[in-house]
Amino acid sequence: GQNIDQPTEMTATEGAIVQINCTYQTSGFNGLFWYQQHAGEAPTFLSYNVLDGLEEKGRFSSFLSRSKGYSYLLLKELQMKDSASYLCAVRESNYQLIWGAGTKLIIKP
Amino acid sequence: IAGITQAPTSQILAAGRRMTLRCTQDMRHNAMYWYRQDLGLGLRLIHYSNTAGTTGKGEVPDGYSVSRANTDDFPLTLASAVPSQTSVYFCASSDSETGDQFFGPGTRLTVL
Repeated sequence: GQNIDQPTEMTATEGAIVQINCTYQTSGFNGLFWYQQHAGEAPTFLSYNVLDGLEEKGRFSSFLSRSKGYSYLLLKELQMKDSASYLCAVRESNYQLIWGAGTKLIIKP
Repeated sequence: IAGITQAPTSQILAAGRRMTLRCTQDMRHNAMYWYRQDLGLGLRLIHYSNTAGTTGKGEVPDGYSVSRANTDDFPLTLASAVPSQTSVYFCASSDSETGDQFFGPGTRLTVL
């Protein structure tokens, strides 16, 4: 069946580095997305991986291993504004997105 | 209009009533989507449209209907609301079925 797993909640310190993991089992694979969602707001696009490896975009990087069904989002130099939920989503063969429940990231001073 | 707008922002509705949630985008995106987001669950796709004039069912379509008469608008209708349809509803669009999705601000719906 289809399944996307992420930790429910993580806590990190301002200025530090945090890695949010996502594992998936889906019917086909056409790419993996990471979105950020602040409380009460809409999700916003962060990154997209379709090939294995690391994609870097400023303080955020995303990694994909298709053979392991695994991705992570790496956030560096954490800022208080990074407190949000981070959503992992896999695009299946039919191009529909299957979403994880999200990881709530709490940043402490 | 900039991006995607949704209306209303929030609504309290009596069970059994009919309700239409509106969604409009000005990015000329071909594909549009309706999701619901419930606590502890991932976003779940209700209906989608890959291009004007076509629609498809997502993961949780029962109790909902959509239409796509033109590129910009994608309304979601609850024919007879039930309490289990209490949720936050997000409309999204993408330039194609393979593009990343842009989300509207959401509609918080409570069915009593």
